[in-house]
Amino acid sequence: GAGVSQSPSNKVTEKGKDVELRCDPISGHTALYWYRQSLGQGLEFLIYFQGNSAPDKSGLPSDRFSAERTGGSVSTLTIQRTQQEDSAVYLCASSSLGGAVGETQYFGPGTRLLVL
Amino acid sequence: QQPVQSPQAVILREGEDAVINCSSSKALYSVHWYRQKHGEAPVFLMILLKGGEQKGHDKISASFNEKKQQSSLYLTASQLSYSGTYFCGTEGYSGGYQKVTFGTGTKLQVIP
Repeated sequence: GAGVSQSPSNKVTEKGKDVELRCDPISGHTALYWYRQSLGQGLEFLIYFQGNSAPDKSGLPSDRFSAERTGGSVSTLTIQRTQQEDSAVYLCASSSLGGAVGETQYFGPGTRLLVL
Repeated sequence: QQPVQSPQAVILREGEDAVINCSSSKALYSVHWYRQKHGEAPVFLMILLKGGEQKGHDKISASFNEKKQQSSLYLTASQLSYSGTYFCGTEGYSGGYQKVTFGTGTKLQVIP
C-alpha cells in the first residue's frame, strides 16, 4: 500500500476486555515495529518483527500483551484483560529491511485506545 | 537506554531560531529526527550517520557528533508549520540488530 495503515483508528473498551489492534505495513517492508505513546509522552518501544519472527519483544510491558505477524505482512497486537493504564496511542511503523544502519521508519496514524 | 532531549518545550515567534539537543550514553551508529504534529503520526525529517555529518532540509538542519554521542537539530527562521513535537531516535546495536530508541520529545510551538 501507499503507507502504513492501522485499524481501528479509535477503540473504547471496558476494563478487563481483550482488544486487537491491526497494522498493515508498507508493501514489501520486512521490518515492523510497535510503539506505545501515552498522552504527552514519548515513543515507548514494544516489539520488533523481522519477517514473521520477533527478535525483540523486550518492550512488551506484561504478559497481557502479545503480537504476531503473518505472511510477513499484517501484524496484530493483542492486549488481554485491559487495564486503564493501557490507554494510549499505539503506533506501528515499518522499514524496508530492518536491522540495517540508517533505515527510515514509516509510521502509521495510530490507534487511540481508551480503557474505561 | 533512552536518549535525553533538551529543552523539553520551547515557544518561538515566527522567524526566530531554535536548537534541540539529543544526547545518549551509548555508542551510536546514527541519529534519526522525526516531527509529530498533534494527533498525527511522526514524520521522518532526516537521518545522520556517524562521521560528524551535517544535513540540511529547507531551513531545518542537524549535526551529529559521534564522539560526544550527541546530535542537534537547528530550526532557522521558524514558520508556524514547524510547530509540533520533535523526537530524536538514536540507533545502536542491541539484541542482535540495529535498534532505534526514541527520546521523550521536545514540544515546539511557533506563534505569530
